[in-house]
Amino acid sequence: ETGVTQTPRHLVMGMTNKKSLKCEQHLGHNAMYWYKQSAKKPLELMFVYSLEERVENNSVPSRFSPECPNSSHLFLHLHTLQPEDSALYLCASSQELAGVYYEQYFGPGTRLTVT
Amino acid sequence: AQSVAQPEDQVNVAEGNPLTVKCTYSVSGNPYLFWYVQYPNRGLQFLLKYITGDNLVKGSYGFEAEFNKSQTSFHLKKPSALVSDSALYFCAVRWDSGNTPLVFGKGTRLSVIA
Repeated sequence: ETGVTQTPRHLVMGMTNKKSLKCEQHLGHNAMYWYKQSAKKPLELMFVYSLEERVENNSVPSRFSPECPNSSHLFLHLHTLQPEDSALYLCASSQELAGVYYEQYFGPGTRLTVT
Repeated sequence: AQSVAQPEDQVNVAEGNPLTVKCTYSVSGNPYLFWYVQYPNRGLQFLLKYITGDNLVKGSYGFEAEFNKSQTSFHLKKPSALVSDSALYFCAVRWDSGNTPLVFGKGTRLSVIA
């Protein structure tokens, strides 16, 4: 797991707070992802960045705002969240080449609790 | 629609016995298949993948999986289970038809009992 790091590991925030999740990958990959993992639900892809450009946004509410300043760093900015947003947020990275499919490497996740 | 099914929420197996965790996928072009494992309070860890070539793929920690095109399956197997294999296992599929993302199954919890 040292290839992809996430901070903080745990976060408790009120519905009116603003916070950010950080992800950093040390693998030289060119694509990064945010996933949401809720209890008893499949893993939900939220955002994909390839070569620092957003290529996927699966109808995620605007209270989640991603930022990818370079190929090694990915942020998820949070504001005015709802209790149902409480979940484990996972960051992943992979090397994307046209026609070649590589596995994704995941960070340990941030456990978010919205009160 | 492109989908991945893990029909079992929970699999229980005695230590030393063989284990199988099932995965099937919908047909939509050529699939690229992956297995991941998640231990408590950890992220997903890559186990193995099938892209092309030999249908039997070997991965980390003694796990293997067999790609069966006619049955659209990619079951995860291990000849002899360990208590330390107890975890949540995810099958994931990506198709070569279009720029599709990786789609995950809902996960299967494996419990290996001593």
